[in-house]
Amino acid sequence: DTEVTQTPKHLVMGMTNKKSLKCEQHMGHRAMYWYKQKAKKPPELMFVYSYEKLSINESVPSRFSPECPNSSLLNLHLHALQPEDSALYLCASSLRRMADQAKNIQYFGAGTRLSVL
Amino acid sequence: AQTVTQSQPEMSVQEAETVTLSCTYDTSESDYYLFWYKQPPSRQMILVIRQEAYKQQNATENRFSVNFQKAAKSFSLKISDSQLGDAAMYFCAYRSFNDMRFGAGTRLTVKP
Repeated sequence: DTEVTQTPKHLVMGMTNKKSLKCEQHMGHRAMYWYKQKAKKPPELMFVYSYEKLSINESVPSRFSPECPNSSLLNLHLHALQPEDSALYLCASSLRRMADQAKNIQYFGAGTRLSVL
Repeated sequence: AQTVTQSQPEMSVQEAETVTLSCTYDTSESDYYLFWYKQPPSRQMILVIRQEAYKQQNATENRFSVNFQKAAKSFSLKISDSQLGDAAMYFCAYRSFNDMRFGAGTRLTVKP
């Protein structure tokens, strides 16, 4: 099983809403990642969690708040987003964090398509 | 900072023929890994092939192979016997300590 599941697949929200994106994997991976991908652009790394602790935050605005309740789950809480935050949000996981074994393959979910109105 | 460049925004290939996608990167590090991912319309990023920088032998995976030129910082992907299912956006990716970067992508069209 190499599946990373993301829900919802699509999300439309207003700028005053609070919503959450969810990501789940059952591969025993201990590193999980959030990426943001704008249309026709490559994914950009937002956050890295390693052993349920935030290890990398690529200067992402505070309106994005990640949470890793356990090793299988990764959430991204959204609050007061802007229209420019509309994008595909991808979750990925790997056996360990980048720094431990850079060769570890990242497995990606299908993403959540977010539209902010 | 490391950069990954894919100079071909779009490529097309006839079914059953061979196509090569180009990728160059810039880094001062010696220990890193290179990947090719494909992203079909379903949006999921799927690993195609990977290459460890310390290995001189080019990686192969069935119909997919790479030409890794470390001195030139070049990492091209060759797809042989192209199939309709190969149509997708292909991203070259660089990974090292605390860094994961993707190129801008090459959209591959496969003509029947």
